[in-house]
Amino acid sequence: DAKTTQPTSMDCAEGRAANLPCNHSTISGNEYVYWYRQIHSQGPQYIIHGLKNNETNEMASLIITEDRKSSTLILPHATLRDTAVYYCIVSRLTTSGTYKYIFGTGTRLKVLA
Amino acid sequence: DGGITQSPKYLFRKEGQNVTLSCEQNLNHDAMYWYRQDPGQGLRLIYYSQIVNDFQKGDIAEGYSVSREKKESFPLTVTSAQKNPTAFYLCASSPQGGSNQPQHFGDGTRLSIL
Repeated sequence: DAKTTQPTSMDCAEGRAANLPCNHSTISGNEYVYWYRQIHSQGPQYIIHGLKNNETNEMASLIITEDRKSSTLILPHATLRDTAVYYCIVSRLTTSGTYKYIFGTGTRLKVLA
Repeated sequence: DGGITQSPKYLFRKEGQNVTLSCEQNLNHDAMYWYRQDPGQGLRLIYYSQIVNDFQKGDIAEGYSVSREKKESFPLTVTSAQKNPTAFYLCASSPQGGSNQPQHFGDGTRLSIL
């Protein structure tokens, strides 16, 4: 299974951009990259996903390298409420025709006042 | 508001006992999923279901069972065969399992052994 590797933890100053890296060097051509975040004792919250093009929405931007072996999630102006564990996920199509998420261990982002 | 409801929030199990975790969604999603999360770890897939009356094993299905008799409900039973059941259990759904659309998660059930 394609795995993801992320830094264990990162700090970011409030108001600055938070750049969270992820390696997924064994990703296959039809596997998507997803990002979710999880605040303690809650369910993961969807942020953004992409296949090979860069993506942007109201929460974040996703930059995927041309070889698709790594990606970066960018929170443009981090706030204290962005403190959470961020998961980089590879979404793989199973033989039964369902997409399955493969989670890494996540990055614990702390936004500092 | 549409969403996924998991109950109970906290659950305690005695040794040798089966317990059932509830997951209900009113999003009209076809696909549903159960994950297990251990401290400091990512989520691991237990079972998933693309459609009513059909489900498949995920990566760690041993000691668990599921049913999908209704579109909106996907209960998970943790059986006595699961020797290390203490964990945070998360249910998710997506519009169609075969389309690449984001999964929506509930807020989980924390299971502990008495």
